[in-house]
Amino acid sequence: QSALTQPASVSASPGQSITISCSETSSDVVSYNLVSWYQQHPGKAPKLIIYEGDKRPSGLSNRFSGSKSGNAASLTISGLQAEDEADYYCCSYAGGRPSVLFGGGTKLTVL
Amino acid sequence: EVHLLESGGDLVQPGGSLRLSCSASGFTFSNYAVTWVRQAPGKGLEWVSTVIKTGDSTHYADSVKGRFTISRDNSKNTLYLQMNSLRVEDTAVYYCAKLQGIHTWSFDSWGQGTLVTVSS
Repeated sequence: QSALTQPASVSASPGQSITISCSETSSDVVSYNLVSWYQQHPGKAPKLIIYEGDKRPSGLSNRFSGSKSGNAASLTISGLQAEDEADYYCCSYAGGRPSVLFGGGTKLTVL
Repeated sequence: EVHLLESGGDLVQPGGSLRLSCSASGFTFSNYAVTWVRQAPGKGLEWVSTVIKTGDSTHYADSVKGRFTISRDNSKNTLYLQMNSLRVEDTAVYYCAKLQGIHTWSFDSWGQGTLVTVSS
C-alpha cells in the first residue's frame, strides 16, 4: 500500500528557510501532481497552504512554496517567523483505495 | 465567509454507534464535494471519507469501510457521518472539510472538529 513519508521534525532560526519533503513509497501517488500541504497549530484545525503541488490559496504569504521532483514533493518556507511554528502535513490523491493519503506530519520548530 | 460546524461527538462504548453532523454556510454547499478527516490524540491526520456534490458517489478509507456511512442533505446544507461498530482506535477529533474542487482533491476550508471517544 502507498504511503507518504515526511521527516518527523525540522528546526531553524527566524529568517532562515526550511524545506520539508514528502515522498511516496510504492506507487505513483505524487505523480498525480495533486499534492496539497496543510499547516496545523496546536489545538487548531488544519489550514490549506499549497494545492496542486505548487499553487498558493489567495492571500497566503509567498514565503510558502511547493514543488515536485520525481516521486517527491516539497514544501519550502522562507524567512521563517515565530508564527510558522506548527505541524505540516502533505496530502495527495491516491487514485484508488485509499483515495487520499496524508503524510505523517512534520513538526517545525522555530528556534 | 465559509463556515463549517461539526457536532455529535461523544463518549461511546466499543461496538456502539454515533452520527456526526457538519453544518455548512457561506458557500453553495450543493456545488462542492465534502469530506471527513480525523486525528487521533497526539497523532497525524487521516482521511476518512468523501462524498461528491450530488451524494451519488462516496469514497472510504479501508479502516472504516463497511462500518461508516457518509451522506449529505443539500436542502439542509449538512454533511453526516454515521459510525457503527465503533472501535477504540476510532477515537479521534473528526473534522469536516470542503473540497476546493473535485479535481484538486485539496481541502480549503475546515471545521473546528468534534471529539469522538470510544471507551468502555
